[in-house]
Amino acid sequence: DQQVKQNSPSLSVQEGRISILNCDYTNSMFDYFLWYKKYPAEGPTFLISISSIKDKNEDGRFTVFLNKSAKHLSLHIVPSQPGDSAVYFCAASGAGGTSYGKLTFGQGTILTVHP
Amino acid sequence: GAGVSQSPSNKVTEKGKDVELRCDPISGHTALYWYRQRLGQGLEFLIYFQGNSAPDKSGLPSDRFSAERTGESVSTLTIQRTQQEDSAVYLCASSLAGNRETQYFGPGTRLLVL
Repeated sequence: DQQVKQNSPSLSVQEGRISILNCDYTNSMFDYFLWYKKYPAEGPTFLISISSIKDKNEDGRFTVFLNKSAKHLSLHIVPSQPGDSAVYFCAASGAGGTSYGKLTFGQGTILTVHP
Repeated sequence: GAGVSQSPSNKVTEKGKDVELRCDPISGHTALYWYRQRLGQGLEFLIYFQGNSAPDKSGLPSDRFSAERTGESVSTLTIQRTQQEDSAVYLCASSLAGNRETQYFGPGTRLLVL
C-alpha cells in the first residue's frame, strides 16, 4: 500500500531549464510534506517543506506546490544546475494525528541535469 | 559539527547470522528514527525513539528486528537470523523534539545477506 507515489523513476533536463518533479499521495490525514535530495552513498538531505495550510513555498531556486484537492505536490527547480543531479524523494507526515514526524516516503525520482 | 554517523558503512553476512547496526545521532537531538531502503524503493519507517517515551515499533517488519537507544544518544538496530530479504540500506535520522523538525540522516549501513 504505497501512500506516497512518485510515478516518474527518472527525469532528464538541460542545464538552465526548469525541472519539475511530481508526487501524489493517498492519505488525506497527511498535513506536512517534504522533499529530500540524496546523492550516492550519502543519506538524504532536507530540501524544502510545505504545510497543508499553504499551496506554495519558495526557497531560492526551489519551489514546492501543493494541490490538496488533487492530493498532488510538485517540486520546481529553476534554473536547473548539473549539481542538482541526484535522487529526489517526496515525503509526508501527519497521518492519524500522530505528532512525532514519522515520514512516509515515495520511491524517488532520479534527476539528471545535463550541461 | 558532527552529523549523524552510522557504523559499519557496509556489512556482508550469511543468512541466519545476527547483525548489529549502530547510529550516533546529532548531540542534543532527542528524536531518533530508523528507516530501511530496499533496492529501487523509497525509505520505509522502522522505529522511532523520543526521549524516555516508549519507542514506536510499528514499522518493524518482524520480531527478528529490534532496536535500543541509550538515553538520548547511541542507538543499535539488531536483526536476528538474517534473511536475504533483509538486504537493504539501513538509515538512521535524528531531529530536535517535536513534529515538523527537520530530520538529519546518516549515510546508512549497506547490509547484504548472502
